[in-house]
Amino acid sequence: TQLLEQSPQFLSIQEGENLTVYCNSSSVFSSLQWYRQEPGEGPVLLVTVVTGGEVKKLKRLTFQFGDARKDSSLHITAAQPGDTGLYLCAGGHNNNDMRFGAGTRLTVKP
Amino acid sequence: DTGVSQNPRHKITKRGQNVTFRCDPISEHNRLYWYRQTLGQGPEFLTYFQNEAQLEKSRLLSDRFSAERPKGSFSTLEIQRTEQGDSAMYLCASSLEAGAYEQYFGPGTRLTVT
Repeated sequence: TQLLEQSPQFLSIQEGENLTVYCNSSSVFSSLQWYRQEPGEGPVLLVTVVTGGEVKKLKRLTFQFGDARKDSSLHITAAQPGDTGLYLCAGGHNNNDMRFGAGTRLTVKP
Repeated sequence: DTGVSQNPRHKITKRGQNVTFRCDPISEHNRLYWYRQTLGQGPEFLTYFQNEAQLEKSRLLSDRFSAERPKGSFSTLEIQRTEQGDSAMYLCASSLEAGAYEQYFGPGTRLTVT
């Protein structure tokens, strides 16, 4: 059972479209991370959010942490084939403990 | 620094054999983590070290699994008497204690038990 629920599980879109993926939990997190993972490789850290309501932008990616620090969203504008991958969220409750969601597998078709 | 490295990248073994994986963390990172990832799932926490001390172990880490970090630098993960259910990607990550949530992952070791 995943502590963090990610939705959708799979998403296939055309190049140029916008998309949003979600990460939800019943738990409050001290911080939340988003990673992107390509097949056969380890996850690569994209962003860390720590403050409720925080919004961070990374080029075409916008990350938001919920006010209650239980959920987060990742919005991609004008998706490109290079955005294809598994997007994972991970939440921490204290300085020792981090748990991952099952991920959203994104495919961007040219 | 070239990041976290793991060896081997792939390992195929027969059921019942022992296997050992190695992880070299980012040099200044004092925390090192091991995760297991199966198809369609996110990484599952196995254990972590702060320097040479193993501070937490998941219930997923059965007595066939053992991890060491003898000098506080590289770490090894050994699986004894492998079972087909052990087939997975084994990921290592490292971080600074102060930024423990910002973990940097290696490329993983893919284990296949036949």
